[in-house]
Amino acid sequence: DQQVKQNSPSLSVQEGRISILNCDYTNSMFDYFLWYKKYPAEGPTFLISISSIKDKNEDGRFTVFLNKSAKHLSLHIVPSQPGDSAVYFCAASAERIQGAQKLVFGQGTRLTINP
Amino acid sequence: ETGVTQSPTHLIKTRGQQVTLRCSSQSGHNTVSWYQQALGQGPQFIFQYYREEENGRGNFPPRFSGLQFPNYSSELNVNALELDDSALYLCASSLVGLAYNEQFFGPGTRLTVL
Repeated sequence: DQQVKQNSPSLSVQEGRISILNCDYTNSMFDYFLWYKKYPAEGPTFLISISSIKDKNEDGRFTVFLNKSAKHLSLHIVPSQPGDSAVYFCAASAERIQGAQKLVFGQGTRLTINP
Repeated sequence: ETGVTQSPTHLIKTRGQQVTLRCSSQSGHNTVSWYQQALGQGPQFIFQYYREEENGRGNFPPRFSGLQFPNYSSELNVNALELDDSALYLCASSLVGLAYNEQFFGPGTRLTVL
C-alpha cells in the first residue's frame, strides 16, 4: 500500500514562475513531513520540513503547506530557477525508533525548469 | 566535515549470489538507515542501526541483514540475490538526540542482478 503518493511523475515550469509540487498521504499517524531533492548520481538532499502542528513553513524561495484534513501537502518554489531542476520526493514519518525516524517516501516528481 | 560515503558505486551480481554494500556515516553521526530505491520509485526503508543494533525494520525478508561498527559505519548484506533486488541502495546517517534529526544521504550503490 502506497502511504505517500505523488501523483505527478513530472512537471515543467518556466523560469521565474511558481512551481507547485503536490503530495498526498493516507496514514493519519504521520506527524512530520519532509521534502527531499535529488540530482542524478547523488543522494537525496533535505530541502524543507513541517511538523503536523503547523500548516506552513517557509525557507527562502521554498514554502511547504500542510492540509491535515485533506491529508495533503504541497511544496511551492518561487521564483523557480534552472538549478531547481531535479527529482523531488515527499516523505513522511510517524515512527520514532528510539530517535531517528523511519521515512516513508512518495514516488517522486521530476521538475524541469525551462529558461 | 566528511559527508556520507558509500561503496562500491556500481555492482553487478548474478541471481543467487551474495553482496555486501558499505556506508560511512557523516562525522559525528551515530545512526545509519538503509533504503532501497527501485527504478521509478521512491526510497523504501529497509532497516536502521543505532548503537550497533538493528533498531527497526521495514518490509524486507531476513536475507537482508546488516551491521554497524563501533565507528558507526555500516554494511548491508543481501543473500540469495533475486532479480527484483536490482535497485539503488541508499544509506542515510543521522544524529539521534535531536527532536527531529535530519537524515543525510549518501550517493547510493547501484546493484544490478542478472
